[in-house]
Amino acid sequence: KAGVTQTPRYLIKTRGQQVTLSCSPISGHRSVSWYQQTPGQGLQFLFEYFSETQRNKGNFPGRFSGRQFSNSRSEMNVSTLELGDSALYLCASSPTNWRANVLTFGAGSRLTVL
Amino acid sequence: TQLLEQSPQFLSIQEGENLTVYCNSSSVFSSLQWYRQEPGEGPVLLVTVVTGGEVKKLKRLTFQFGDARKDSSLHITAAQPGDTGLYLCAGERRETSGSRLTFGEGTQLTVNP
Repeated sequence: KAGVTQTPRYLIKTRGQQVTLSCSPISGHRSVSWYQQTPGQGLQFLFEYFSETQRNKGNFPGRFSGRQFSNSRSEMNVSTLELGDSALYLCASSPTNWRANVLTFGAGSRLTVL
Repeated sequence: TQLLEQSPQFLSIQEGENLTVYCNSSSVFSSLQWYRQEPGEGPVLLVTVVTGGEVKKLKRLTFQFGDARKDSSLHITAAQPGDTGLYLCAGERRETSGSRLTFGEGTQLTVNP
């Protein structure tokens, strides 16, 4: 079956702009999590959605937001971009939200902020 | 403060050598997972260890969960160039709202032919 699909794979934005990233989970998976990966901080948890509800949120400012649709697809948005937002944004899906040990990651969206 | 400390951060060895990567924390985890990430790809789950003291083997890779479920190690025997990648450990904690993973910063392994 198809894996986790993230779009776009690469994008370049300038400071102050906003960006929307998309994630299509594995068919039948209802939980979607988002992570930010940078060389200095590793993978940092952004938020997790299950059945269209945000269940967990990491320590990121309100400029970072997300949502999940009824078909389990998820989007995350970053407004008023800063240079420090340059990172690889990873989406992961799992069948439920109480078994993180079956996470499957997408290839990520690499965001560069100039 | 990083909840999970991985060491070493970088490791460059010759083909055929053995190596061990460590993942340490002061927190107790429900389970601990190891992932490998290659350039341009997302992390791929290698193994999950759940029970304190548990040892799992995956071909030349041996994973161990500490007795107190606070630390783990990954040992690779006779490393090959194909083992090159970023190795990440992740601790799972069960919360009322669901399960949550905390990742270490990773160990970048390079195996030279």
